[in-house]
Amino acid sequence: DQQVKQNSPSLSVQEGRISILNCDYTNSMFDYFLWYKKYPAEGPTFLISISSIKDKNEDGRFTVFLNKSAKHLSLHIVPSQPGDSAVYFCAASAVLQGAQKLVFGQGTRLTINP
Amino acid sequence: EPEVTQTPSHQVTQMGQEVILRCVPISNHLYFYWYRQILGQKVEFLVSFYNNEISEKSEIFDDQFSVERPDGSNFTLKIRSTKLEDSAMYFCATSRGASGRSRETQYFGPGTRLLVL
Repeated sequence: DQQVKQNSPSLSVQEGRISILNCDYTNSMFDYFLWYKKYPAEGPTFLISISSIKDKNEDGRFTVFLNKSAKHLSLHIVPSQPGDSAVYFCAASAVLQGAQKLVFGQGTRLTINP
Repeated sequence: EPEVTQTPSHQVTQMGQEVILRCVPISNHLYFYWYRQILGQKVEFLVSFYNNEISEKSEIFDDQFSVERPDGSNFTLKIRSTKLEDSAMYFCATSRGASGRSRETQYFGPGTRLLVL
């Protein structure tokens, strides 16, 4: 099942710079997208979401961009901090179709270097 | 801040044994979910539960799996006869879900690591 793909398994960024995590999807029925952050031995922690009626949503240091025509979303973290080091998952759902399940990407391990 | 909690944190069992994984949802949440993550793989949806019945399930959720909310607070996942390939992290998630198609965020518990020997 490759409906949601995160093609970069890892990313390393200098502290204070911008981190950009990418996610692609194939199912045009997806209309709600979320980013989760996960530390080892913990559950996914919700970060930010975006509905398909928007192309941008911002919350503090986190901004999610959605390009529906390209079926692509990205998470920008600026400025990056050492505590941001974790695995980041994007997830998608087809809410208007009545689906409740989230479909996850494989995750990208972000390392912030001091 | 309210949290989803799960017990046990770790469970080791013999193949063929029954296991019950427990979750305490956030108190005003109405939708409950189970996901699993096999080591090195994606987080996969298993089942969603609303109004005391299953509302959606994946092909993974076969007859060996069941869910219930026995006492109005706990939400459980039972695996009747465990197989080696059931070894995974199992995550419970809950969402407020004021309406059936509300875009409600799902909040995850810390997970139960199940190891089947």
